[in-house]
Amino acid sequence: ETGVTQSPTHLIKTRGQQVTLRCSSQSGHNTVSWYQQALGQGPQFIFQYYREEENGRGNFPPRFSGLQFPNYSSELNVNALELDDSALYLCASSLKRGALQYQETQYFGPGTRLLVL
Amino acid sequence: ILNVEQSPQSLHVQEGDSTNFTCSFPSSNFYALHWYRWETAKSPEALFVMTLNGDEKKKGRISATLNTKEGYSYLYIKGSQPEDSATYLCAFHGSSNTGKLIFGQGTTLQVKP
Repeated sequence: ETGVTQSPTHLIKTRGQQVTLRCSSQSGHNTVSWYQQALGQGPQFIFQYYREEENGRGNFPPRFSGLQFPNYSSELNVNALELDDSALYLCASSLKRGALQYQETQYFGPGTRLLVL
Repeated sequence: ILNVEQSPQSLHVQEGDSTNFTCSFPSSNFYALHWYRWETAKSPEALFVMTLNGDEKKKGRISATLNTKEGYSYLYIKGSQPEDSATYLCAFHGSSNTGKLIFGQGTTLQVKP
């Protein structure tokens, strides 16, 4: 069973640029969530994708967008990068079975560390 | 604004010591409380998903309890070992049909040999 993988591991961008981060979910999982962890804080929920549609969003501006593909892998896109976007970006996959998603474990990847200069 | 608090922020113990830390969360709209262990340069590792008031879960030397009425969970480590050194995160799940987890800032445990 393959775990959650993310690419790239590290990335340096300049303010105003755009970035795409990628996540491959664990085999058998149909849901991907994205989190941002700034220094000294816990991860913050950005959004979740289920069956290629957004299924819940945290308090992040529209320049944070995502996609989920038919194989359940996912992308996080951030436009017009700001210095405060520098953080560790984590994705997590899980299996959503009906409405009882809160009982399901989310399995995390190792993250992509983004530095915006 | 929903707040999840963990204490202490960091902890240094000797090998063999038992230790515990606290996660406080909203007592309303509770669906689940998740615990994760996160070693440096690795992925966060799921420890427990707890859903019922009074739940107790155990995995080896690590155990957790849950009180949803007062909004807290304790994580216990018995006989700490250096390999237990990690950041321990709790996450509150306040929604039934989305995956939104609200994380605390974590407790960083350092176990000295």
